Formats: sequence, structure tokens, C-alpha cells
Amino acid sequence: DIQMTQSPSSLSASVGDRVTITCRASQGISNYLAWFQQKPGKAPKSLIYAATSLQSGVPSKFSGSGSGTDFTLTISSLQPEDFATYYCQQYNSYPFTFGPGTKVDIK
Amino acid sequence: EVQLVESGGGLIQPGGSLRLSCAASGFTVSSSSITWVRQAPGKGLEWVSVTYSGGNTYYADSVKGRFTISRDNSKNTLFLQINSLRVEDTAVYYCARLYSPADSWGQGTLVTVSS
Repeated sequence: DIQMTQSPSSLSASVGDRVTITCRASQGISNYLAWFQQKPGKAPKSLIYAATSLQSGVPSKFSGSGSGTDFTLTISSLQPEDFATYYCQQYNSYPFTFGPGTKVDIK
Repeated sequence: EVQLVESGGGLIQPGGSLRLSCAASGFTVSSSSITWVRQAPGKGLEWVSVTYSGGNTYYADSVKGRFTISRDNSKNTLFLQINSLRVEDTAVYYCARLYSPADSWGQGTLVTVSS
């Protein structure tokens, strides 16, 4: 199975900060990587698919990059509504696997 | 509007069975791939299964042999049959259409396995 790791596991940031979350796959997954945002008590929300493609309706402050084993999610200017937990997931090979999540909270 | 609505969760004893439903609107389940994801209380997301329009279905090792996907195309609904339930199956179960330009998630249904 492909293992997904994320760093950091949590971070504290201020409104307006640029935030970068890293996701690493234990083996190459091409660009079959998705990012999700989840707020407490809510269903996840899709942000990015195919490593770099923004979901419809997702603001352009979110961006994804990477290919192979190393990926990043960047939030260009953190806003109050962005405080949440972010997960990456590979869908290159079965079983599809999620990273453990990165919790972004207010400094 | 694309929408997914799960139902069927509840409190069930270990060893029991449950059938979860995922009702779709705004698109056709029979021509889409649908993913099931679960989240145990206070834990991260866990991929459970994906089923494709052609019928191919894949499961996580932790549920293989106990969980089964089926469809009722006339109702535009997908089902997740869960057998031999274990305490560790306790989670919110989500169905979702993923990896496309217009992903959609359901609101989730809670399955609690306890004696």
C-alpha cells in the first residue's frame, strides 16, 4: 500500500499569512493526488484534484503543486474561513490512501 | 445541482449488519464513480471503497469480504452493505463523487457499533 505523510501535523498561523502544507507519497503516484479541507463536524470539501487542478468554486488563493512523490498545498493569504484540517489523498493505486491531516489554527 | 444524501446509519451490535444508502441528484450514479470514505470519532479520513460506472469495485483491506457495494439505477442510489460489524467500524460514513472538476460529498451518516 502507498503510505501518505503530511507535514506539519499542525500549524498556527495568522490571517493574511501564506501557508504551505507538504504531502509525500511512499512511492510515485504521478499526479493522482487530491486535497480536501474539513471543518469540525462537517463533511470534507474537495479543493484540488490531479495535484494542481482547482475544484469548481474553490478560490484561487488555494493552489497545488507537485508530481511523483512530493506535493504541496499553498494558501496564499489565510482567511478566518480557512482554519480547518487539510488532507491529501492518493488515487493512483488501490487502496487509495489519505494522509493523516494537517490542522491549521489561529495563532 | 449535484447532491448526495446518505442514510441508514444507526446503533448496531457487533456482528450485525447494516445497509447504507447514498441517493444522488443532479447526475446519474450509473455513469459515475462513487467513493465511500469513513471517519472514526476524532480520527482522520479513511478510504473505504470506490465503484466505477463499468461495475468494477475496490475495497480497503480492512473491509474486504464484509462490505459490498450495489446500485439501484432506477432510484439513482448506491448502497453499502456492511456485514459482520466490528466496534472499529464505528464512524461517520460519507459517499462522494471525487477526482473531477465538480466533486460532491454527502453530509455523512453515523454508524455506531456497540453492545
